[in-house]
Order: sequence, then structure tokens, then C-alpha cells
Amino acid sequence: EVQLLESGGGLVPPGGSLRLSCVASEFTFSSYAMSWVRQAPGKGLEWVSVISSSGGSPYYADSVKGRFTISRDNSKNTLYLQMNSLRAEDTAVYYCAKGSDIFDHWGQGTLVTVSS
Amino acid sequence: QSVLTQPPSVSAAPGQKVTISCSGASSNIGNNDVSWYQHLPGTAPKLLVYENNKRPSGIPDRFSGSKSGTSATLGITGLQTGDEAEYYCAAWDSSLTGYVFGSGTEVTVL
Repeated sequence: EVQLLESGGGLVPPGGSLRLSCVASEFTFSSYAMSWVRQAPGKGLEWVSVISSSGGSPYYADSVKGRFTISRDNSKNTLYLQMNSLRAEDTAVYYCAKGSDIFDHWGQGTLVTVSS
Repeated sequence: QSVLTQPPSVSAAPGQKVTISCSGASSNIGNNDVSWYQHLPGTAPKLLVYENNKRPSGIPDRFSGSKSGTSATLGITGLQTGDEAEYYCAAWDSSLTGYVFGSGTEVTVL
């Protein structure tokens, strides 16, 4: 069964940085694009970023462009999200999802709280 | 404010049917496929429908999707208490060069 396990969330002050990881198993990670999606408290789902299977062609939501960087290490079956210049409005549960426009598997999410 | 517009909530009695609309534009629904997701608080979202009307294995045929022009619809028949959740439509937006989710619809079983 496909598994996606996120980690790296936590409490960070405004302006700080955090790196999220998502370890994938039970599928050929290097063959699939991967994405990050978040949900702020009381809000709906918001797409954050996507990266191709080879690690190229990243796309970002306007709300995070220039501050977040998506990357992957196919040798480690791991997806990353480097988050810099964090703002209060980045507070959310961050999910990694398998796919680029059809998210057929999701992780359980990791909570990021941006607060002083 | 979401690019894709959904009603905030819909409700019906057990066994009845509900439909959830999703209104977009030519840059998203009009020219790209629509997916639907079910999300219960504290859990991972679940893919219900992809490519407008296809169901992943394991998703019962009580759930159905359709698309016409710049709108899409999710139907749920034989409503069960376990269907109470938030439902989201989604599609790639060619103008934004990004994926967009609908505003979400809460389904309540009366």
C-alpha cells in the first residue's frame, strides 16, 4: 500500500525557515510527480507546489513563490519543501500528495505554526 | 477567495441524494479535467473522482462526477452518515499555471 509520511513541521517565528520532508514507500517514487497541498486552520485546501518526476519543472502558488522551494531526492524516495521568510498566514497542515493533477494518495500531514 | 466556486453546504436525509456544484472558468474547468476529493478533519484527503467522471478502485458507484462547459458536479446517492465530510473540486488552471481547489462544500446527513 502506498505510504507518504511527512515530517519537519513545528513552531517557527515569523521570518523563520523550516524544511518539510515526505518519505514515500510502496510505489516507484521516481516515476511520479509529487505535490504539496496545505490547509490553514478553518480554511479549505490550497495547492502549494508541484515537481516533476525527475525533479525539474517546479511550479508554485503565487502565495509562496519566491519563498518556498520544492525538491526531491529519488535515491531516498523523499520529497522536500524548503520554506523561508515564513509568515503567519503560512500556518497550516502541510500534506504531500502523489501526482501533479490527480492526487491519488496523500500523507497524514504535518503542522506548521508560524508565531512569535 | 477560491478560483472554483462551490456552495458552502448541502444536506439531505440518509438514503437520499445530494449534488455539489463547482463553477470555474475556461482556464481551469473549461479546458482541464476535474477531480473531486473528500476530506474529514484530521485525516488525509481522499480522491473520489478524477478526469471528470472516473472513480479510483474502491470508491463506490454512489459517487459520480460530471462536467459541462466551465462547471462540474459531484453526485452522492444513497447518502450515509459516513459521507459527512468536506468535499472539494479541483483542476489545473492554465492561466495561473497552478492547481486550484474549490472553496469546499460541507455535506451534512440530517
